[in-house]
Amino acid sequence: NAGVTQTPKFQVLKTGQSMTLQCAQDMNHNSMYWYRQDPGMGLRLIYYSASEGTTDKGEVPNGYNVSRLNKREFSLRLESAAPSQTSVYFCASSEAPTGGSSYEQYFGPGTRLTVT
Amino acid sequence: AQKVTQAQTEISVVEKEDVTLDCVYETRDTTYYLFWYKQPPSGELVFLIRRNSFDEQNEISGRYSWNFQKSTSSFNFTITASQVVDSAVYFCALSEARNSNSGYALNFGKGTSLLVTP
Repeated sequence: NAGVTQTPKFQVLKTGQSMTLQCAQDMNHNSMYWYRQDPGMGLRLIYYSASEGTTDKGEVPNGYNVSRLNKREFSLRLESAAPSQTSVYFCASSEAPTGGSSYEQYFGPGTRLTVT
Repeated sequence: AQKVTQAQTEISVVEKEDVTLDCVYETRDTTYYLFWYKQPPSGELVFLIRRNSFDEQNEISGRYSWNFQKSTSSFNFTITASQVVDSAVYFCALSEARNSNSGYALNFGKGTSLLVTP
């Protein structure tokens, strides 16, 4: 099992360009997430998908859109990149909580994005 | 408001020393979950432990141990006899039952950077 995979690993964009970050998991997890990590800030939730067919905003959704393409794939799109979106982006997945139990999230290797 | 506070930004120890990383959380829920993740210099995030709010038992796994105290809203992490390979950023995170519709998204602390020198 590859776990959670992300593409690309690195990307440099110019201000105003668009791009899509891809994420896929092979653990048959229902829930998927996108986080960004900035120096000294920990990880902050951008969007999540609690189950296939649903998506919702997290703490910092402005400037992003997401698509839950199927159970395996959850993509993050930057329509018009800005320097403030320079960050490391992590995708994660987890089993759907059952019986009130929250399951750990498994993270992809991250995408390092620079917007100039 | 920050729900998870890791007051120690950086810690530096010499190999074989014991070190404790502090984590204080804030929640109004009676059901919640606490996690620790490790981020080594290579950048990936590695899951270490999950604890739910109903289980206050401390846990030990090899050189790692965790002390969960609801009375002080703390979930501290101790590394015994630290090694150079323990050098990493460690994150504490909280997931609340009120976020059940969100798939229990995680609220992360800002992390503690641990440097273990030979």
